[in-house]
Amino acid sequence: EDQVTQSPEALRLQEGESSSLNCSYTVSGLRGLFWYRQDPGKGPEFLFTLYSAGEEKEKERLKATLTKKESFLHITAPKPEDSATYLCAVQASSGGSYIPTFGRGTSLIVHP
Amino acid sequence: DGGITQSPKYLFRKEGQNVTLSCEQNLNHDAMYWYRQDPGQGLRLIYYSQIVNDFQKGDIAEGYSVSREKKESFPLTVTSAQKNPTAFYLCASSIQRPLAKNIQYFGAGTRLSVL
Repeated sequence: EDQVTQSPEALRLQEGESSSLNCSYTVSGLRGLFWYRQDPGKGPEFLFTLYSAGEEKEKERLKATLTKKESFLHITAPKPEDSATYLCAVQASSGGSYIPTFGRGTSLIVHP
Repeated sequence: DGGITQSPKYLFRKEGQNVTLSCEQNLNHDAMYWYRQDPGQGLRLIYYSQIVNDFQKGDIAEGYSVSREKKESFPLTVTSAQKNPTAFYLCASSIQRPLAKNIQYFGAGTRLSVL
């Protein structure tokens, strides 16, 4: 069974204080790993897809990296507007279904 | 603009009542999904559909029903059999092709509460 574990559950940072969010996964062959951002009371918004170990993607202050067992979402010099819940999901390459498995998310609060 | 529209934003259900949540997409996506989100929980899959007139149960399908008569539409009915329906419901869609990214695009959600 595919499993996704995100840590920490919650993270409080001061503006400008860089940090990383972790997504550990076990899957029978990785088709893709996805990062989403979810603001309170809204639907998740797609950020990145990673496919193979060593791959990196960047967008503004966010950088996602992937190894064979985990992914990190690095946040450099965060701003209060980066406050949100960040969700990680994995999609297995085995079987005909394309259903991803989601982690429980990391709630990030950035204080000014 | 292309996207997914969920309605209503807020919904209240009386005991014993069935309620239907609407989900429409104009992204020309083959696959559509319904998730339930509870505080502190991840997204739990209720139902999904990979093609018109076909759908599959997810992890928590009991007490819910769906239909997929049109590619654009995937309504979810919360039946009276669902004893704890209070949650945030999210609809998503994606393309459905081998080797494709299959990124899911989400609607804004419907918050369902019990009166």
